[in-house]
Amino acid sequence: SQQGEEDPQALSIQEGENATMNCSYKTSINNLQWYRQNSGRGLVHLILIRSNEREKHSGRLRVTLDTSKKSSSLLITASRAADTASYFCATALSGYSTLTFGKGTMLLVSP
Amino acid sequence: SQTIHQWPATLVQPVGSPLSLECTVEGTSNPNLYWYRQAAGRGLQLLFYSVGIGQISSEVPQNLSASRPQDRQFILSSKKLLLSDSGFYLCAWSAQGRNQPQHFGDGTRLSIL
Repeated sequence: SQQGEEDPQALSIQEGENATMNCSYKTSINNLQWYRQNSGRGLVHLILIRSNEREKHSGRLRVTLDTSKKSSSLLITASRAADTASYFCATALSGYSTLTFGKGTMLLVSP
Repeated sequence: SQTIHQWPATLVQPVGSPLSLECTVEGTSNPNLYWYRQAAGRGLQLLFYSVGIGQISSEVPQNLSASRPQDRQFILSSKKLLLSDSGFYLCAWSAQGRNQPQHFGDGTRLSIL
């Protein structure tokens, strides 16, 4: 099964609202990364959080990591229509340079 | 700055035909390179990755192969395509070392008829 699983699978909100997506994983990780994918395009890296970090911010994005629960969350504040995309978490296992991606959360932000 | 180029953007091929998808990276040296496949509504499946010229690791047994003839060139190939090879193929690169993000090309949409 997938190392990372996002929840919910789909999320629909209004502009200005906050969007929260969660990611759970199964084994110890070196870092966890979040990516965005617009329809029909490649993935864009958003944030990388290391296993010894608990929270990181980048603009309107806030990522938390709880290694005891093996979970992470991505919060997008004051969402905009342009935030409409699929969001993926990816885990880097200790000692490996490859990433394992979840199936993603589809976010729809309506004007 | 670094850029990654992937082509073609769209490809329609008959079953049994060969395949060659090319990916090149500019602005960096000795990158790790990756090929992924993404089925509709699914996450990414890692197909191959390479940490150097001629060094290819395969993650999933399949009808595809990969080669890295130059430091910043990564090629995905098949001798005979199957219907199940349809999908969205993505190339990515990362710097060497731990805790490195991956940077993706815009992908190739492959349809097998």
